[in-house]
Amino acid sequence: LAKTTQPISMDSYEGQEVNITCSHNNIATNDYITWYQQFPSQGPRFIIQGYKTKVTNEVASLFIPADRKSSTLSLPRVSLSDTAVYYCPYPKGGYQKVTFGTGTKLQVIP
Amino acid sequence: GAGVSQSPSNKVTEKGKDVELRCDPISGHTALYWYRQSLGQGLEFLIYFQGNSAPDKSGLPSDRFSAERTGGSVSTLTIQRTQQEDSAVYLCASSWDQETQYFGPGTRLLVL
Repeated sequence: LAKTTQPISMDSYEGQEVNITCSHNNIATNDYITWYQQFPSQGPRFIIQGYKTKVTNEVASLFIPADRKSSTLSLPRVSLSDTAVYYCPYPKGGYQKVTFGTGTKLQVIP
Repeated sequence: GAGVSQSPSNKVTEKGKDVELRCDPISGHTALYWYRQSLGQGLEFLIYFQGNSAPDKSGLPSDRFSAERTGGSVSTLTIQRTQQEDSAVYLCASSWDQETQYFGPGTRLLVL
């Protein structure tokens, strides 16, 4: 069964850099890798997407190795407001559904 | 509005009653997804609509659940004869490229 694997939870102190790695089982050649963030009582929201190498935006960086079998979401200098669940859903293969798992629950500690 | 909207935001119903949950996707988005999220859990896929293709219903947990999408836009998720285990947040998302999903705020369903 095609799926992604990521840690269930992580703790970090404020101001630290947090890296969350996701493994992508059988990712297809034309699939992009997308990460989402979900705060309590809200729907998930898109934070970053990439195909290979490195992508950076105002929220995070995404590192994708050449084999694309994993990706690492990097959050620089986290604050309490970064406490959320982070998902790396299994990318589609053609016009198919995207499968979300349980995500990584990040708890930022003061 | 520019985003995905869902209604109602909260719904309390009695066991055995039917409920309808509505999703208004972003205009022009051809793909629409329904998910269910129980307290503290991840997203559980329910159903996926893509354009005029037959929907992927593989995630619907029982025949009490059904969904339709009219005119390629608004979607309604119907739960018949609700049970207490149906209590959850029901999330809708839409997409134009199937790469990025835009989620609504969800409908919180409580079955008493």
